[in-house]
Amino acid sequence: AQSVTQLGSHVSVSEGALVLLRCNYSSSVPPYLFWYVQYPNQGLQLLLKYTTGATLVKGINGFEAEFKKSETSFHLTKPSAHMSDAAEYVCAVSYFGNEKLTFGTGTRLTIIP
Amino acid sequence: EAGVVQSPRYKIIEKKQPVAFWCNPISGHNTLYWYLQNLGQGPELLIRYENEEAVDDSQLPKDRFSAERLKGVDSTLKIQPAELGDSAVYLCASSHVTGAWQPQHFGDGTRLSIL
Repeated sequence: AQSVTQLGSHVSVSEGALVLLRCNYSSSVPPYLFWYVQYPNQGLQLLLKYTTGATLVKGINGFEAEFKKSETSFHLTKPSAHMSDAAEYVCAVSYFGNEKLTFGTGTRLTIIP
Repeated sequence: EAGVVQSPRYKIIEKKQPVAFWCNPISGHNTLYWYLQNLGQGPELLIRYENEEAVDDSQLPKDRFSAERLKGVDSTLKIQPAELGDSAVYLCASSHVTGAWQPQHFGDGTRLSIL
């Protein structure tokens, strides 16, 4: 069964510092990977996705993620945190032939002024 | 383009009462999903529609939950009767076509509170 693990339910970084949110998946077949952001009282907004091709994926709001097959990881990064980045970030995985999207439990990002 | 629209945004009812949620997907999106999201958890799929056909309802508690997608556009999700454990956020999502690589676009959800 597919699964996603997000290490760290809460992450705090200073404004201007590097943001690193971790996501690991379990799979024996190539995955499709997604990062979503969720602001309070809103639904999930797609940040970026990896399906095939280039393993470094750029998304909205300056975020990017790198697919590392050897580490079964898809960590989300942003070079310089902004106050507006404070939100819940959720990683998700699916596989060809299985349209079910499996979500991680999310990481709440807090930005320290 | 307009996003996925859900209503109501909030609903408070007493246990054993019925409740219904409505979802209007992005225009042209054939696939529609209903998810349940408990506090501190990721969304869990309840049902997936391809056009008007429910192709995956294996996680839908059919004793009290029902859903429909008439004409393959709007969809409603109903709970009757509601139980205390149903308090959660109900999310609707849509995608252009079915495919594991297709991103799903989410509405803002309906937050249900059962008294």
